[in-house]
Amino acid sequence: AQSVTQPDIHITVSEGASLELRCNYSYGATPYLFWYVQSPGQGLQLLLKYFSGDTLVQGIKGFEAEFKRSQSSFNLRKPSVHWSDAAEYFCAVDRADKLIFGTGTRLQVFP
Amino acid sequence: EADIYQTPRYLVIGTGKKITLECSQTMGHDKMYWYQQDPGMELHLIHYSYGVNSTEKGDLSSESTVSRIRTEHFPLTLESARPSHTSQYLCASTPRTGSPLHFGNGTRLTVT
Repeated sequence: AQSVTQPDIHITVSEGASLELRCNYSYGATPYLFWYVQSPGQGLQLLLKYFSGDTLVQGIKGFEAEFKRSQSSFNLRKPSVHWSDAAEYFCAVDRADKLIFGTGTRLQVFP
Repeated sequence: EADIYQTPRYLVIGTGKKITLECSQTMGHDKMYWYQQDPGMELHLIHYSYGVNSTEKGDLSSESTVSRIRTEHFPLTLESARPSHTSQYLCASTPRTGSPLHFGNGTRLTVT
């Protein structure tokens, strides 16, 4: 079955440090991949998406993600984290018209 | 921008009550979805619709039901609420396959 794995439940970084959130997927074909962010009490906001082509995709708020087919990964990165980046982050794969989400990673940012 | 609206934002209700969670979108999207989000964050698809008069159950079994009489409206109903239904319910829509989902702000339901 197609699935999405986010191995890190909770990550803590200092403001200004770099960030990488891991995502692995299980899917037969080239997937549509997404990263979403959720602030407390809010819905999900799209950060970026990968459909095809360039494997490094840029998103909003300074985030980027790299699709690596050989590793079945789609990790999210940011070179310098801001305190406002504290939130929950979800990786997702489009499976037959339905979006399947990973379990999420909670990011905490210390000043 | 809030093009997809969910009401109420918060609801506290007693066991056995019937409730309807509203979801409306103004973007003309055919595909709409309901996700249930556990307190520990994980999202589970419980219902989806590909257009008017089309509804399907998602991956997570749910006692709720949905209807899609109009393109813009996708309400979710619980005939008899129970404490196990306590969760956050997120509605989303998209115009086509592979296009990102637009999410509402969610309804946080507490059944006492």
